[in-house]
Amino acid sequence: ELKVEQNPLFLSMQEGKNYTIYCNYSTTSDRLYWYRQDPGKSLESLFVLLSNGAVKQEGRLMASLDTKARLSTLHITAAVHDLSATYFCAVVLNSGGSNYKLTFGKGTLLTVNP
Amino acid sequence: NAGVTQTPKFQVLKTGQSMTLQCAQDMNHEYMSWYRQDPGMGLRLIHYSVGAGITDQGEVPNGYNVSRSTTEDFPLRLLSAAPSQTSVYFCASSYSWTGTKGQPQHFGDGTRLSIL
Repeated sequence: ELKVEQNPLFLSMQEGKNYTIYCNYSTTSDRLYWYRQDPGKSLESLFVLLSNGAVKQEGRLMASLDTKARLSTLHITAAVHDLSATYFCAVVLNSGGSNYKLTFGKGTLLTVNP
Repeated sequence: NAGVTQTPKFQVLKTGQSMTLQCAQDMNHEYMSWYRQDPGMGLRLIHYSVGAGITDQGEVPNGYNVSRSTTEDFPLRLLSAAPSQTSVYFCASSYSWTGTKGQPQHFGDGTRLSIL
């Protein structure tokens, strides 16, 4: 059974500061996704990481994947209030043939304070 | 583009009632799935489908049925609603995940379901 753990689950930070959210998973996988969810809204795809060493950046967010360590990080640079949201990582498990299951972490609630 | 459309957006049921949550996508995606989201639990996979006529169970399938008669539609049926099924339900779709494709899932806006 694939387990996906995010930490921290709650993160309160000041504008302008840097921080990293961690996503650990328990079973071999080479596909990891990061999503953002605003309160009461749907999920928005941020990054797709498909191979060991993959790094993607968009604005103040940068995601990386280390498949050997089974670890992905989401780094926030110079946070701004608009980044306040819940961030989820999700890992794909191939359960056989064409059956792929996506398992989500519990999410990190990020609050950026002025 | 409509993307993934879920109906209804809100629903209140009494214990024991049945209902169907509708999900439709217009992107010709092969893969569709249903999740429930509960506070502090993230999203948990209920059922998924890799194509028309093919469905399989996810992490929390009990109390739910699905079918996939067309590529576009993937309804979720609650057979006899229970208070434990109070949740926000999301439908999602994506292209096939076989091979090297890694397209993300596209999510609908969700259905907020309360069981009294």
